[in-house]
Amino acid sequence: GAVVSQHPSWVICKSGTSVKIECRSLDFQATTMFWYRQFPKQSLMLMATSNEGSKATYEQGVEKDKFLINHASLTLSTLTVTSAHPEDSSFYICSAREGEKETQYFGPGTRLLVL
Amino acid sequence: GQQLNQSPQSMFIQEGEDVSMNCTSSSIFNTWLWYKQDPGEGPVLLIALYKAGELTSNGRLTAQFGITRKDSFLNISASIPSDVGIYFCAGLPNAGNNRKLIWGLGTSLAVNP
Repeated sequence: GAVVSQHPSWVICKSGTSVKIECRSLDFQATTMFWYRQFPKQSLMLMATSNEGSKATYEQGVEKDKFLINHASLTLSTLTVTSAHPEDSSFYICSAREGEKETQYFGPGTRLLVL
Repeated sequence: GQQLNQSPQSMFIQEGEDVSMNCTSSSIFNTWLWYKQDPGEGPVLLIALYKAGELTSNGRLTAQFGITRKDSFLNISASIPSDVGIYFCAGLPNAGNNRKLIWGLGTSLAVNP
């Protein structure tokens, strides 16, 4: 149980294009999903908290117009990197929290490379 | 932002040895979580702890929620090559309504067969 999927697993795009990443909880309903970014050999950096049916809460320094988050259902959240630039290249990971439990289950991550 | 103090930063051990790593905080935590991350993958939950003093096992892994609620440790017994990876602790602070996990910087484990 508690499986989270992410799609795509990797993507290469040209600078200036937009990229959408999907995060799905496969066997449970997630009222809250989280989007993280991870640089090589570093810990996870929280970008935003996504609550179903409401606007996402962004961490300080994360541009909400740059990283659009939509949490339209209890099993799906999407992160769109708009007008991607090479500095946006990174490993993006989502997680989902089941109900009121504090445990977060992570997706396998999406490797983004912007050329 | 706030981070947990996780140690050691890295370990290189022989197969069959036991491993111990820990995380500490200056403030009280309500929840401690231990994850393992393989290269290019998302973190996988190993053990979740919700009560002070709680000792929980998952196969060869054992973790404890410190009685002071400011620390937690993870032990791996009889290590095997597939234990290689980065282990992260994460916790939920007691103070405030902020329900964001606070993360350690990870312990990189290498196992020599």
